[in-house]
Amino acid sequence: EVQLVQSGAEVQKPGESLKISCKGSGYSFSRYWIAWVRQMPGKGLEWMGIIYPSDSDTTYSPSFQGRVTISAVKSIDTAYLQWSSLEASDTAMYYCAMAATNLNGNYYFDYWGQGTLVTVSS
Amino acid sequence: DIQLTQSPSFLSASVGDRVTISCRASQGISNYLAWYQQKPGEAPKLLIYGASTLQTGVPSRFSGSGSGTEFTLTISSLRPEDFAAYYCQQVNRYPFMYTFGQGTKLEMK
Repeated sequence: EVQLVQSGAEVQKPGESLKISCKGSGYSFSRYWIAWVRQMPGKGLEWMGIIYPSDSDTTYSPSFQGRVTISAVKSIDTAYLQWSSLEASDTAMYYCAMAATNLNGNYYFDYWGQGTLVTVSS
Repeated sequence: DIQLTQSPSFLSASVGDRVTISCRASQGISNYLAWYQQKPGEAPKLLIYGASTLQTGVPSRFSGSGSGTEFTLTISSLRPEDFAAYYCQQVNRYPFMYTFGQGTKLEMK
């Protein structure tokens, strides 16, 4: 069974750094792209970026480029999302998701983590 | 960049109703569209990809149609567990990026 298990909720102060994780199991982790998706309170889904764990090839949404860092350690089947200096506006639920594609050229997310709630407050 | 616009943003319906949610792309995207359902407190769940292919395990009352710029998600007969938010999603190839629609919240009337 494919599973993506994310790290637990975090409460941080503005200016602090943070790294959250997403551990895959039940499939060959290094061979499938992992994306991060933000959902601010009461709002919709925003794609942040994506990483290929096999070689750490990473693409960021322009909206998040320079604000977060996406990484992966394939030896432990884990992807990460990190901030060097949090802001109150980073308060949100963050999901990791496994990106799938088919022979017809469709791209979609077929497995999702349970989400990590990040709260940034002084 | 290609934008996705869903309508309506909010929809009130009753159990047993047939409901339709629309997703319009700002440029033609062939059939490269997926639909997700998100219930409160849960992660999104893939319903449909390739505009009309039902993900394994998704009930057949859900269907998707469309191509180019106009797409539709239809629920043929609403069940209580279908009241949720729904999102469409596509991928820009150049530059490479995923895009979601703003969402449609389906509420019980």
